[in-house]
Amino acid sequence: RKEVEQDPGPFNVPEGATVAFNCTYSNSASQSFFWYRQDCRKEPKLLMSVYSSGNEDGRFTAQLNRASQYISLLIRDSKLSDSATYLCVVIPTGGFKTIFGAGTRLFVKA
Amino acid sequence: GAVVSQHPSWVICKSGTSVKIECRSLDFQATTMFWYRQFPKQSLMLMATSNEGSKATYEQGVEKDKFLINHASLTLSTLTVTSAHPEDSSFYICSARAGSHQPQHFGDGTRLSIL
Repeated sequence: RKEVEQDPGPFNVPEGATVAFNCTYSNSASQSFFWYRQDCRKEPKLLMSVYSSGNEDGRFTAQLNRASQYISLLIRDSKLSDSATYLCVVIPTGGFKTIFGAGTRLFVKA
Repeated sequence: GAVVSQHPSWVICKSGTSVKIECRSLDFQATTMFWYRQFPKQSLMLMATSNEGSKATYEQGVEKDKFLINHASLTLSTLTVTSAHPEDSSFYICSARAGSHQPQHFGDGTRLSIL
């Protein structure tokens, strides 16, 4: 079983749609969580950290469910510019490793 | 904040050449820097992790004599691809973080093409 698993997609959604991605992690002692986005042929960029109580940044909402060991990202009112690959990132206790998911591809269409 | 600069952005050179890539954290001190490689339509692949002043830790299958990493200061790490061959052509990306549970911040990446 992979340490961090994501549905690779692709998710094809129309503009204005709400879309959600989940990411599961295997190490219950994981401590820090992030979502990144990566555009084609570009470097990953930090989208947002994920906090235990859940957090929101504009159209983006991140949630953490420690009991079920998953994090989620919700994008409301999708824009064309949201088209990218979304990477889930987990840092286990100790902080020695950073584990990236393989990413979920999102295509937002007009 | 949290800017990481990577240079050069693009390299095209002949087979057998050694190529050096620099990664700098511009506005924070990076306790750890990471080097990744990414082939088209594939996931990031971690090559090595380096802490300032100590030897890099390489992932399994990555040749340390082929990919030389120097982390000379808290703001600079370099990756040298020695005697590069066409199969080394890839997108190389560095990242840096300020602490063990801090997010990584990535450089713009270097596209390496070996002819």
